[in-house]
Amino acid sequence: QKEVEQNSGPLSVPEGAIASLNCTYSDRVSQSFFWYRQYSGKSPELIMSIYSNGDKEDGRFTAQLNKASQYVSLLIRDSQPSDSATYLCAVNALWGGNTGKLIFGQGTTLQVKP
Amino acid sequence: DAGVIQSPRHEVTEMGQEVTLRCKPISGHNSLFWYRQTMMRGLELLIYFNNNVPIDDSGMPEDRFSAKMPNASFSTLKIQPSEPRDSAVYFCASSLRQIDNTDTQYFGPGTRLTVL
Repeated sequence: QKEVEQNSGPLSVPEGAIASLNCTYSDRVSQSFFWYRQYSGKSPELIMSIYSNGDKEDGRFTAQLNKASQYVSLLIRDSQPSDSATYLCAVNALWGGNTGKLIFGQGTTLQVKP
Repeated sequence: DAGVIQSPRHEVTEMGQEVTLRCKPISGHNSLFWYRQTMMRGLELLIYFNNNVPIDDSGMPEDRFSAKMPNASFSTLKIQPSEPRDSAVYFCASSLRQIDNTDTQYFGPGTRLTVL
């Protein structure tokens, strides 16, 4: 069974700190990695995608990918209370062919305290 | 542009009743996904379609669940008969297939189903 694993949290950080969210995946052939943010009672919203090893920055968000270690992370700089949400890691599933299917982790709940 | 549209947003029904959830994907997208989300099990993929064809329905919990996509702009997820354990939020998502495997899924607002 191919899996995506995340620490469910909650991860609590003070306002202005860096929040670090981590995700590991089991399928070595996965090529595409996504971070979704989900506010309570809302639908998942894409915030970052990353396809190559290294870092990708978008505003206060940085995604980091290490395919050799099968590890992807999301850093949120200058965390704000509005960042409090559940963050879902998703990995494309290539077994059975290239179908566009994603496997989601259980999500990490982030709490940013003022 | 309109995002993924789902209806109804909320549905309360009694055990044994038929429930039909509806989804309109983003125009131009050719993949559609139905998910179910609960606190206990997280986000589960039920079924997905490519070009209106069901590709993998292994996530459909049992025969009470069925899904159709009669055309590129409409899909339904039906539960008949419904049971209390079907209570969950059901999301529809769509994407545009990419040959380089960078498909990005966009989610609808979800339907919150309560079966009494």
